[in-house]
Amino acid sequence: ILNVEQSPQSLHVQEGDSTNFTCSFPSSNFYALHWYRWETAKSPEALFVMTLNGDEKKKGRISATLNTKEGYSYLYIKGSQPEDSATYLCALDTGRRALTFGSGTRLQVQP
Amino acid sequence: NAGVTQTPKFQVLKTGQSMTLQCAQDMNHEYMSWYRQDPGMGLRLIHYSVGAGITDQGEVPNGYNVSRSTTEDFPLRLLSAAPSQTSVYFCASSYLRAGGGEQYFGPGTRLTVT
Repeated sequence: ILNVEQSPQSLHVQEGDSTNFTCSFPSSNFYALHWYRWETAKSPEALFVMTLNGDEKKKGRISATLNTKEGYSYLYIKGSQPEDSATYLCALDTGRRALTFGSGTRLQVQP
Repeated sequence: NAGVTQTPKFQVLKTGQSMTLQCAQDMNHEYMSWYRQDPGMGLRLIHYSVGAGITDQGEVPNGYNVSRSTTEDFPLRLLSAAPSQTSVYFCASSYLRAGGGEQYFGPGTRLTVT
């Protein structure tokens, strides 16, 4: 069983703060790394799918970087807003098309 | 497009009963999968399929069966429900593309087994 670890488990920040989370995975099993945003009472929604070492992706105030050699990805949120409150999941695709998810980072942004 | 749909939204079963959770997608995605979500454990893969007639086991397949007779549908069968199968079940689909396709999730089915 693959170990995809996310840290921290939860985070409370003030509106306007910038923040980041980490996803760690076994670098030898890498094919693609996914990030999803999961709001309470909704379904997970894809943010990024990353495949190349050194890849950087950006969507509005959210960006992500990938290091496949050392097995980690960072997700950054610039100027957090209350609507950014959600659980952020990363998932590893080892090439079998079966995703292994981390347990997520729960972000709460206080107005 | 309706995207990924799941029925029912809620279900209560007694131990030993069987049932089928339905999942359908209208995006012509090759890949479909079932996950269960339990507190503190994230999403765990039950079964997945890379096309009609092809299925494979995920991390936690015991007690569940799947089949994929069409591109659109991927039902999950609980053969003999147990309290340990109380969970929220999500179906997801994606294109099969180089580098992995982003997954689209259904709204979930909340199952309670008493």
